[in-house]
Amino acid sequence: GENVEQHPSTLSVQEGDSAVIKCTYSDSASNYFPWYKQELGKRPQLIIDIRSNVGEKKDQRIAVTLNKTAKHFSLHITETQPEDSAVYFCADGAGNQFYFGTGTSLTVIP
Amino acid sequence: EAGVAQSPRYKIIEKRQSVAFWCNPISGHATLYWYQQILGQGPKLLIQFQNNGVVDDSQLPKDRFSAERLKGVDSTLKIQPAKLEDSAVYLCASSLLLVHEQYFGPGTRLTVT
Repeated sequence: GENVEQHPSTLSVQEGDSAVIKCTYSDSASNYFPWYKQELGKRPQLIIDIRSNVGEKKDQRIAVTLNKTAKHFSLHITETQPEDSAVYFCADGAGNQFYFGTGTSLTVIP
Repeated sequence: EAGVAQSPRYKIIEKRQSVAFWCNPISGHATLYWYQQILGQGPKLLIQFQNNGVVDDSQLPKDRFSAERLKGVDSTLKIQPAKLEDSAVYLCASSLLLVHEQYFGPGTRLTVT
């Protein structure tokens, strides 16, 4: 729904460490939760998504978890690499509405 | 598969002037979205089409912004008259279905002086 809160706004991790970004939503009708990666000056690209009937989804080093009761979902990146450095946006889709979070700027330090 | 196309890529206009952006979605994608992304913020949905019908335009400033998708394929977004606060990247996206994976175009960077 309209209120999608994303934390943290900036995150720095050492290469090889894990990164976790969290989003909370308010609309109980929300049923689709994608995560986008946006590199500087480029378009957002979908990296993983999850629907409300699933609690967790994993794709190689990236995973997303969803807690419908608490209305929050998280992006987990393991074994981070310098090329993971970018701005990450969560989004929340409910019916005809689509709202993006404020973004997390992730820096992976070599 | 060709991606979402947008033009122009860059546009500089003075306030109170008009501007139009064009988007060609991925072939076969029924849903088309226009977003406004102000520097340092997440994309904000302005309008969403399903074929040539408007699904949601609740965040479109209708006093100055308009959009159409007449034949259910290409779309145009117009701003008339532009204000300084309209400076942003305007992103077009398309998806096969509603509430589905969205593919973004390269965007149009608008600067209003």
